Amino acid sequence: AQTVTQSQPEMSVQEAETVTLSCTYDTSESDYYLFWYKQPPSRQMILVIRQEAYKQQNATENRFSVNFQKAAKSFSLKISDSQLGDAAMYFCAYRSAQGAQKLVFGQGTRLTINP
Amino acid sequence: DTGVSQDPRHKITKRGQNVTFRCDPISEHNRLYWYRQTLGQGPEFLTYFQNEAQLEKSRLLSDRFSAERPKGSFSTLEIQRTEQGDSAMYLCASSWDLNTEAFFGQGTRLTVV
Repeated sequence: AQTVTQSQPEMSVQEAETVTLSCTYDTSESDYYLFWYKQPPSRQMILVIRQEAYKQQNATENRFSVNFQKAAKSFSLKISDSQLGDAAMYFCAYRSAQGAQKLVFGQGTRLTINP
Repeated sequence: DTGVSQDPRHKITKRGQNVTFRCDPISEHNRLYWYRQTLGQGPEFLTYFQNEAQLEKSRLLSDRFSAERPKGSFSTLEIQRTEQGDSAMYLCASSWDLNTEAFFGQGTRLTVV
């Protein structure tokens, strides 16, 4: 079974600074997807960024980028120019490319932005 | 289309009572997922539908839990004889097809007292 581990329960960053959230995963599959989801307080989960395992190039979405190290099974999220609206729980998730394609989530990292 | 809708948003029930939650996916999304999220944890997969067929169930889904998706549209999740350990956020997500993004609803927060 696949597992996802986020070793940082909480992180904080000054507004406009850069922060990196860590994630490691375990799988024996070669074809899969990785995601970072954001869950603001009392609001729904929204997708921040996704990475296909077969792509060597790291995904980027505006201020959000990932460092995908397939051999090390590491998938970190970098948030540049942090904004107050970035404050939320961030979840790393794994999804197989086969079958039900259910998401396997990590435990989450609570990100606080200090003004 | 306003996205994935879940009803109710909050439910407080007494131990031993039955509860039912509803999820309306985004129109034409044929894949529907239920997840459970306890406080301070990531969501855990419960079950998956493709159209009206329930194709996968987690071992977390005890025999007190049942889910349906009649006609491949909305879905219901019923918990019978609720226990305090059932207290959690129940999330629904839908997607169009293989390898497409899953969209989440705002969830139903269940409190069993």
